[in-house]
This record gives sequence, structure tokens and C-alpha cells, in this order.
Amino acid sequence: EVQLVESGGGLVKPGGSLGLSCTASGFTFNIYSMSWVRQAPGKGLEWVSSISSTSRSIYYADSLQGRFTISRDNAKNSLFLQMNSLRAEDTAVYYCTSTYPGGNYFVYWGRGALVTVSS
Amino acid sequence: QSALTQPRSVSGSPGQSVTISCTGTSSDVGGYNYVSWYQQHPDKAPKLMIYDVSERPPGVPDRFSGSKSGNAASLTISGLQAEDEADYYCCSHGGSYTLYVFGTGTKVTVL
Repeated sequence: EVQLVESGGGLVKPGGSLGLSCTASGFTFNIYSMSWVRQAPGKGLEWVSSISSTSRSIYYADSLQGRFTISRDNAKNSLFLQMNSLRAEDTAVYYCTSTYPGGNYFVYWGRGALVTVSS
Repeated sequence: QSALTQPRSVSGSPGQSVTISCTGTSSDVGGYNYVSWYQQHPDKAPKLMIYDVSERPPGVPDRFSGSKSGNAASLTISGLQAEDEADYYCCSHGGSYTLYVFGTGTKVTVL
């Protein structure tokens, strides 16, 4: 059974930092590109960042303005998102997703981790 | 890149068909055959329903179908069922920088 389990969410003050992790199982993690997609409360889905299977290619949404860093550890079947200089508008559920090899769609999704930025 | 445009809501009776539009630009929807659709029930993770414009993953009922013409894509649900009531999002490849762009989302209500 495929599983993506996010961890590390929580409450953080504006300007603070937080790191998210995602542990994958049930599929060959090291051949899938991985991504983070977020959803603000009551709002739609927003693509955040993607990383290729070898970490060679990394992409970010323009709106992040260099504040987030995506990384992965294929030996540990894990995906990470380091978030710095957090703002109220970063409050959202952050989903870990996997992109089918050679494809351009999100085939597996985690249950999400809630990040709340508030003083 | 701005979010793709979807209608806020659509509705239909059981057994009827509904179609959700997804309008983008030549830089996203019109430029690639990489449109996907996701179903999201309340407080649940999204689920892939259609990929590459019109392909269905294993396990997705064939009453879900997708198409594209120019800068607009569509998802049609035929033979609407109660369990189809959910939010639906389109997504397109957006090029080399904005890799993916999602639609604004459509709430499907089964009357």
C-alpha cells in the first residue's frame, strides 16, 4: 500500500521557521519526482515546489520569493520542506505528493500537515 | 502565472451529466497536453481522476472523462452519483519556471 506521511506541522510566529518531512512507502521512491502542494483554509490548491528524483532539478512557485527550500533523501525515502521567514499567508495544509515517472501529474498524496503562522 | 479559471460551482441530479471548464492560456493549458483533474472530498486529500487531458488512472470510473480545446480543458461526469459530490481542481503544466498551475476549484453538488 502506498503511503505518504507528513510530519512537522504546527504553530509558528510570523518571521519564524519550520521544517516539514514526508516519509514514503509502498512505491519506488527514488524514481519519482516529488512535490509540495498547499491549501489555505477554505481555499484552493497551490503548487509550492518540486524536486526531481535525483535532486538535480528543483522548482519553486514565484510567490515564495526564495523563502522555502525543498530537499530529499532517497536512502531514507524522505522529502523535506524548510520554510523560513514565514508569513500569515503561508498558513495552509501542506500536502506531500509524488509525480509519476515521466509524467506531469500528482499520482500519490499524503494526508497533509497543517502549518499555522500566527502571533 | 495566475490560477486557471473554473466555475465556482456546478450541480446536477443523479444520473445527469455535468461539465466543468478550466480556462488557461497558451503558456499552460494551451501549450501542453498535461492537464490533470483532482477530486477532493471535505477534509480529505485530493485524488487523481484524469491525467494527460483524457487518461483515467486504474480504479477511476469511466463516467469521468476529460478533453481539451485550445486554452480550455473540461471534465465531464456522466451518470452523476451522490459520491461524486466534491470539489474538483484542474491542473496544468506551466512551463519551465512555474512548473504547475492549479485551477480555482469547482464545487459539484448532486441535487
